[in-house]
Amino acid sequence: EIVMTQSPATLSVSPGERATLSCRASQSVSSYLAWYQQKPGLAPRLLIYGASTRATGIPARFSGSGSGTEFTLTISSLQSEDFAVYYCQQYNNWPPGAFGQGTRLEIK
Amino acid sequence: QVQLVQSGAEVKKPGASVKVSCMASGYTFTSFGISWVRQAPGQGLEWMGWISGYNGNTNYAQKVQGRVTMTTDTSTSTAYMELRSLRSDDTAVYYCARGDKEAPNTSFDIWGQGTMVTVSS
Repeated sequence: EIVMTQSPATLSVSPGERATLSCRASQSVSSYLAWYQQKPGLAPRLLIYGASTRATGIPARFSGSGSGTEFTLTISSLQSEDFAVYYCQQYNNWPPGAFGQGTRLEIK
Repeated sequence: QVQLVQSGAEVKKPGASVKVSCMASGYTFTSFGISWVRQAPGQGLEWMGWISGYNGNTNYAQKVQGRVTMTTDTSTSTAYMELRSLRSDDTAVYYCARGDKEAPNTSFDIWGQGTMVTVSS
């Protein structure tokens, strides 16, 4: 079974700065990788699918890159509303909904 | 607008069953599948399984296989997730989520608001 590993577990960044979050797959997932943002008490929100395509309504400061086993989510200039937990999810291998354990992005 | 609306919170005793509903609107129900994802308090996201909105085919995660049944009612555009033999570690928020195509291997573009299920004696 595929395992998704996110790093770091917690990332402290100041508003206006760049944040870089990583996700590694235990085997290749090609480009079948999505990123989600979750705020307390709310459902996750799709940010990126296909490793690099922004979902509808997602601001351009969010970008995704990578393929195979190594992926990155970059937030170019952090806004106050971006502080949340971020999850990656692969949908190439079994189980199709395998998520990483999450990265908490907090205000420095 | 496209949305998924779930049923309300449940409190169940160990060994009981729970059935959560997820009503879709704003899109053609039979053109997309629905997955169920749960999140234990303070924990990450766990995929439980998928059901086709077109023909009711299912795929379940090994961890809940044998205890979970996912169904749909196309006449009301509603998906259901029933979990049996509940244990304390089933306490979680349960989400339904729409896949972006009619197959289990998808990202999830629309999510329900979540249903809290508490298992306690």
